[in-house]
Amino acid sequence: EIVMTQSPATLSVSPGERATLSCRASQSVSSNLAWYQQKPGQAPRLLIYGASTRATGIPARFSGSGSGTEFTLTISSLQSADFAVYYCQQYNNWPPVYTFGQGTKLEIK
Amino acid sequence: QLQLQESGPGLVKPSETLSLTCTVSGGSISSTYYYWGWIRQPPGKGLEWIGSIYHSGSTYYNPSLTSRVTISVDTSKNQFSLNVSSVTAADTALYYCARLTPGGFLFYFDYWGQGILVTVSS
Repeated sequence: EIVMTQSPATLSVSPGERATLSCRASQSVSSNLAWYQQKPGQAPRLLIYGASTRATGIPARFSGSGSGTEFTLTISSLQSADFAVYYCQQYNNWPPVYTFGQGTKLEIK
Repeated sequence: QLQLQESGPGLVKPSETLSLTCTVSGGSISSTYYYWGWIRQPPGKGLEWIGSIYHSGSTYYNPSLTSRVTISVDTSKNQFSLNVSSVTAADTALYYCARLTPGGFLFYFDYWGQGILVTVSS
């Protein structure tokens, strides 16, 4: 099983600043990585797939990068709506064994 | 707009079987390109993939759950279902159904239901 490790567990950032979230895979997942945003009481929402492609309707301030084992989600100029928990997920296997990171909580500083 | 809605009992007794259904609207579960899946989230914890199914009935399960999990599909009702047998308190979680969409030859989750909380308790 591919283990996904996210850092930091909690990130405190002020509105208007940039946030950088990290995700590491225990083995290469190529670019088969997605990022999700989850707000309290809501289902996860797809932000990024293919490591760097924004999903439909996702603002340009969200960007993803990386390949292999190291990935980054960057949120430029944080807005109040962006404070949430973010998960990375790899989908590199077939037959599939999907695994998620443990999440990074982005909180207001 | 595609929508998924989970339904089923919110309380299940230990050792019994948890049964949930996901109803898909705004699209056909028989669409050629998509898989359908279940994910769960214990209270205050992270996400765990349970399994996935294609409209033909082909299934894939998380190796850690495969002995207790069955996923089935009913294309006439545009639904797919989850059964988890011999449940314990560790199966208490928010259960989500979701659609998997292809990115090349592999699939990621693009639409999610709102989730249903299932508590295992006597």
